[in-house]
Amino acid sequence: GDSVTQMEGPVTLSEEAFLTINCTYTATGYPSLFWYVQYPGEGLQLLLKATKADDKGSNKGFEATYRKETTSFHLEKGSVQVSDSAVYFCALPFSGGYNKLIFGAGTRLAVHP
Amino acid sequence: ETGVTQTPRHLVMGMTNKKSLKCEQHLGHNAMYWYKQSAKKPLELMFVYSLEERVENNSVPSRFSPECPNSSHLFLHLHTLQPEDSALYLCASSQDAFPGANTGELFFGEGSRLTVL
Repeated sequence: GDSVTQMEGPVTLSEEAFLTINCTYTATGYPSLFWYVQYPGEGLQLLLKATKADDKGSNKGFEATYRKETTSFHLEKGSVQVSDSAVYFCALPFSGGYNKLIFGAGTRLAVHP
Repeated sequence: ETGVTQTPRHLVMGMTNKKSLKCEQHLGHNAMYWYKQSAKKPLELMFVYSLEERVENNSVPSRFSPECPNSSHLFLHLHTLQPEDSALYLCASSQDAFPGANTGELFFGEGSRLTVL
């Protein structure tokens, strides 16, 4: 069945460091792909998405490129801030619609000053 | 005011208790969801409601009973739970939920942290 695999955390970085969080997926066809973020004490919120192969989603300095050749959707940011500390989830839709999402296990990011 | 509000934020209950979680969305959306978030596990989709009709029951034990009286409110009734049911229960909503909908844009509440003793 369809699935999402994320790199295990936690990821610990110093402020202004470069961030990569790996995400690979298994799916039939070419589904849309998503990154969600969960800040401490909050629910998840959509960070960015890509709806077709080779698309690049971006938001708040984060980027991810939909690469069908490697079935990957890695999240990157050039210079992280302490406020980026959160848990990041990669996701793709279940087949059958209804906006049901399959989430990865999440990767916790801790950024230190 | 946040778009999706969940109450209570924290709940402790014994295995023989009956309690309910409440979710309210102020976004005018037509679909609502319950997800379970356990430590070190991916989020698990539990239930999906579209226009107050349940369209997904993802093999959830009957001790969890959802209710959607209108498109703005969603409840999760809990009874005779087990300690392994302790988790963060997240409610979400989306504009539409129909068979072809895959915008992936869900709006989540802050969750209800449930502890079963």
